[in-house]
Amino acid sequence: NAGVTQTPKFQVLKTGQSMTLQCAQDMNHEYMSWYRQDPGMGLRLIHYSVGAGITDQGEVPNGYNVSRSTTEDFPLRLLSAAPSQTSVYFCASSPPRGGGGYTFGSGTRLTVV
Amino acid sequence: EDQVTQSPEALRLQEGESSSLNCSYTVSGLRGLFWYRQDPGKGPEFLFTLYSAGEEKEKERLKATLTKKESFLHITAPKPEDSATYLCALGELTGGGNKLTFGTGTQLKVEL
Repeated sequence: NAGVTQTPKFQVLKTGQSMTLQCAQDMNHEYMSWYRQDPGMGLRLIHYSVGAGITDQGEVPNGYNVSRSTTEDFPLRLLSAAPSQTSVYFCASSPPRGGGGYTFGSGTRLTVV
Repeated sequence: EDQVTQSPEALRLQEGESSSLNCSYTVSGLRGLFWYRQDPGKGPEFLFTLYSAGEEKEKERLKATLTKKESFLHITAPKPEDSATYLCALGELTGGGNKLTFGTGTQLKVEL
């Protein structure tokens, strides 16, 4: 029972590089989302998806891109990394209506130098 | 715009010393109020969802309560393993799930 799996766990990028953070869930959840966590600011929503083929922006979407081609996968792309994107990134999934709460992955710690 | 404020930022308790964490919020419509626990280096772990003023939920030494303006997480006779950061969040229903607005958390340390 894997839940939500995020890869990689750690990554260092140079300014201007691009990369994809991977997220996969095996619970057949319709709803998936990406959050970033920064000290003193709490978790902030980047992008979310309510099902395959449907995505929308959250609170802090600039510099990030997402797609949802399958129910299981929801990758987050950094188009041109900036030091301001240094953060811990969490992927989460939820069953319909979200009443049971989100299941979060273990996070990707990203440093942009 | 939804706002969530948690207090205190940090709390140190002796084992067995009960206390409460506060989550106050302003919201424009009907929402769910979520509590999560986060251990260092890990993702948040779901604890409770509350929807209606007066609602209460319990799990082991934790009890969450909800009023129209705030929620409390009561910790009864805590143990060192309860040490963690506790997050509350407002959930805006969107399609099939929730968009969560998080507070900054309360870092709890329980000492022997």
